[in-house]
Amino acid sequence: DIQMTQSPSSVSASVGDRVTITCRASQDISTWLAWYQQKPGKAPKVLIYAASILQSGVPSRFSGSGSGTDFTLTISSLQPEDFATYHCQQANSFPYTFGQGTKLEIK
Amino acid sequence: QVQLQESGPGLVKPSGTLSLSCAVSYGSINSRNCWSWVRQPPGKGLEWIGEICHSGNINHNPSHKSRVTISIDKSKNQLSLELNSVTAADTAVYYCARVGERELDYWGHGTLVSVSS
Repeated sequence: DIQMTQSPSSVSASVGDRVTITCRASQDISTWLAWYQQKPGKAPKVLIYAASILQSGVPSRFSGSGSGTDFTLTISSLQPEDFATYHCQQANSFPYTFGQGTKLEIK
Repeated sequence: QVQLQESGPGLVKPSGTLSLSCAVSYGSINSRNCWSWVRQPPGKGLEWIGEICHSGNINHNPSHKSRVTISIDKSKNQLSLELNSVTAADTAVYYCARVGERELDYWGHGTLVSVSS
């Protein structure tokens, strides 16, 4: 199985800050990577797919980059509604696997 | 906009079978999409269980060995999950989701299944 490692596991930030979350795959996954946002008690919501394509309806302050084994999710200017847990997922090969999640908290 | 809704027992006894359904609304289960099951144990991360495609192809997470059955009922526009020989480790929120290109673009709200005697 492909292991997905996110860092950091948690991060504290303030409204207006720029935040970057990284995801590393244990082997080359090309650009078959998605990012999800999950709020407590809710289902995940896709933000980015194919490493850098913004899902329809997702604010442009979210962006993704990377290929191969190293990927980043960047939030350019944090808004109050962005405090949540973020997950990466590889879709290069079965079984699809997720990172352990990054909890973004208010400083 | 596609909507998905999971349903099934919230409590299953150890060694029993977990059976869930996922009703698809405002979309067809016959569309050229695959459909997935994902679970999340309380306070933990997401785990992909498997997917079934309109072509009939099914892919499972080998970590569940042969305990998992995923199927589609076209007449009811729903997909199903069966997980047998459950233990406490199978306690989780179970989600169904539609596969877009390969990302999971529409999710159900999730249903908590507890395994306990």
